[in-house]
Amino acid sequence: AQSVTQLDSQVPVFEEAPVELRCNYSSSVSVYLFWYVQYPNQGLQLLLKYLSGSTLVESINGFEAEFNKSQTSFHLRKPSVHISDTAEYFCAVRRGSGNTPLVFGKGTRLSVIA
Amino acid sequence: NAGVTQTPKFQVLKTGQSMTLQCAQDMNHNSMYWYRQDPGMGLRLIYYSASEGTTDKGEVPNGYNVSRLNKREFSLRLESAAPSQTSVYFCASRRDGVTEAFFGQGTRLTVV
Repeated sequence: AQSVTQLDSQVPVFEEAPVELRCNYSSSVSVYLFWYVQYPNQGLQLLLKYLSGSTLVESINGFEAEFNKSQTSFHLRKPSVHISDTAEYFCAVRRGSGNTPLVFGKGTRLSVIA
Repeated sequence: NAGVTQTPKFQVLKTGQSMTLQCAQDMNHNSMYWYRQDPGMGLRLIYYSASEGTTDKGEVPNGYNVSRLNKREFSLRLESAAPSQTSVYFCASRRDGVTEAFFGQGTRLTVV
């Protein structure tokens, strides 16, 4: 079975500073990896995903995540955050074959301070 | 194109009451899911349906039942609500061959 650990429950950061949200997963098989974002009182939206190929994936709003197989990690980074990035971020994993559900981490609340 | 629609958005129940949370998707997706979100717990899978006519238990199925009424609709029923079922419930769907799931806006349920 797959599992996901998000190492930080809350991350406060000043506006225009860099941020890294950490995610580690465990799985004995190949996996797909995802970051979802949840703005206050809304549902979850896909931010980016890793399926195969290049280990660095990017989103349209400046976030990037790097798949590291040896460290079983998929950390999310942004070089300069904005107030509008304040949200909860969820890392998720799904088995890379078959029809299996997403397994989520417990989430990291990113608070950007002006 | 509405995506995944959940009703109601908010609900307050008394302990012991029953209710059904509705979910419908208009994207012709085969797989549908029910998750609950609790503070500090992330999203936990309650039940899922890989195709019309099939359902499977997830991580936290106790106290819930589901029905995959047709390809579009997947309902979640609480037969006898308990305060421990106070949560935000999310429905999601996914098309075969696509890796990510699409989520509804959630139902905030309070059991008093």
